Amino acid sequence: AQSVTQPDIHITVSEGASLELRCNYSYGATPYLFWYVQSPGQGLQLLLKYFSGDTLVQGIKGFEAEFKRSQSSFNLRKPSVHWSDAAEYFCAVAPNQAGTALIFGKGTTLSVSS
Amino acid sequence: NAGVTQTPKFRVLKTGQSMTLLCAQDMNHEYMYWYRQDPGMGLRLIHYSVGEGTTAKGEVPDGYNVSRLKKQNFLLGLESAAPSQTSVYFCASSTRDYHYEQYFGPGTRLTVT
Repeated sequence: AQSVTQPDIHITVSEGASLELRCNYSYGATPYLFWYVQSPGQGLQLLLKYFSGDTLVQGIKGFEAEFKRSQSSFNLRKPSVHWSDAAEYFCAVAPNQAGTALIFGKGTTLSVSS
Repeated sequence: NAGVTQTPKFRVLKTGQSMTLLCAQDMNHEYMYWYRQDPGMGLRLIHYSVGEGTTAKGEVPDGYNVSRLKKQNFLLGLESAAPSQTSVYFCASSTRDYHYEQYFGPGTRLTVT
């Protein structure tokens, strides 16, 4: 069965430090891959997506993610974290089939310390 | 352009009561979805719709019904609420051609006592 694993439930990073959030997926073919962010009390906002091509994708708010087929990973990175980045981050997979919805990881909560 | 809106934002129900959550989108999207979010569980798909008058079950459909009478609206019903349905409910929509690129509403926090 398809699945998404986010190994880190909670991460704390100092403001200005770099960030990497891990995501691994289990799927036979290369799926479409996404990162969403959820600020407290808000809905989900799409940060970036990977469909094909360049394995390093740029998103909004200075985030980027790298697709590594050999590791079945799609890790999210940011070189310098801001306090406003504190939120919950979800990795998601879309099987490449019409009519099927996203499969989400359980999320990683990011705290930013000053 | 409001995007995806959800009504109500908060609701408290007693066990056995019924209610309907309304989702509306003004982006002319063909596909619509209902998810529930529980702590440590991520988002799980309840039901979805690929067009007006068409619905399908997702991962956790039991205890819920849905209807899509108009393209812009997707209703989620609880006929007899149970405490296990205490959750935050999110609606999302997408185009048919890019169904995986979903736009989410702000959520409805439901508590069943």
